[in-house]
Amino acid sequence: DVKVTQSSRYLVKRTGEKVFLECVQDMDHENMFWYRQDPGLGLRLIYFSYDVKMKEKGDIPEGYSVSREKKERFSLILESASTNQTSMYLCASIPGVGSYEQYFGPGTRLTVT
Amino acid sequence: ILNVEQSPQSLHVQEGDSTNFTCSFPSSNFYALHWYRWETAKSPEALFVMTLNGDEKKKGRISATLNTKEGYSYLYIKGSQPEDSATYLCAFGSEMDSWGKLQFGAGTQVVVTP
Repeated sequence: DVKVTQSSRYLVKRTGEKVFLECVQDMDHENMFWYRQDPGLGLRLIYFSYDVKMKEKGDIPEGYSVSREKKERFSLILESASTNQTSMYLCASIPGVGSYEQYFGPGTRLTVT
Repeated sequence: ILNVEQSPQSLHVQEGDSTNFTCSFPSSNFYALHWYRWETAKSPEALFVMTLNGDEKKKGRISATLNTKEGYSYLYIKGSQPEDSATYLCAFGSEMDSWGKLQFGAGTQVVVTP
């Protein structure tokens, strides 16, 4: 079974803090994705990565950066957290290019106060 | 602006009743249409990945149809059970997008009451 894990289920941070969200997958998947989910808006893509050290901006990259130093790990970084980044963050992975189903982590509910 | 729209936003179903809901997506540059089920406190899980016009897929009491020419897909739940309570997400994959990117709808929240 593919397993995608995220470092925290719930996180509370203060405005201006640097926040790291970690995602790890154990099935040697090539592509990894970070989404945020807000009520009524669906999952919106923040960044994705198609190989180690390779990344592409998604639809809403502003205020975020990512790091992929190892194939299994994809980190989302909030350089200076703001209250409008309070959201549910989901990580996903797929084996490679193609119409593969995405495998999701359980999500991190981030609250920025 | 969501290019992928799901309706209704939520629905309540009595146990044993059947139900269906819709996903509409762009009819051009179609590559794939995904359905996911997202139960509370769990990870979203794939139900179906559909790639051909006219595709019909089935998993237990849940089935889906696909019309790529008019840009819609239906998800059906037959004989709903409380364990079917979840948010159902559809996602559109475009030929114009690379690397397996998907555009997600906002979801249909299904509540099945005993």
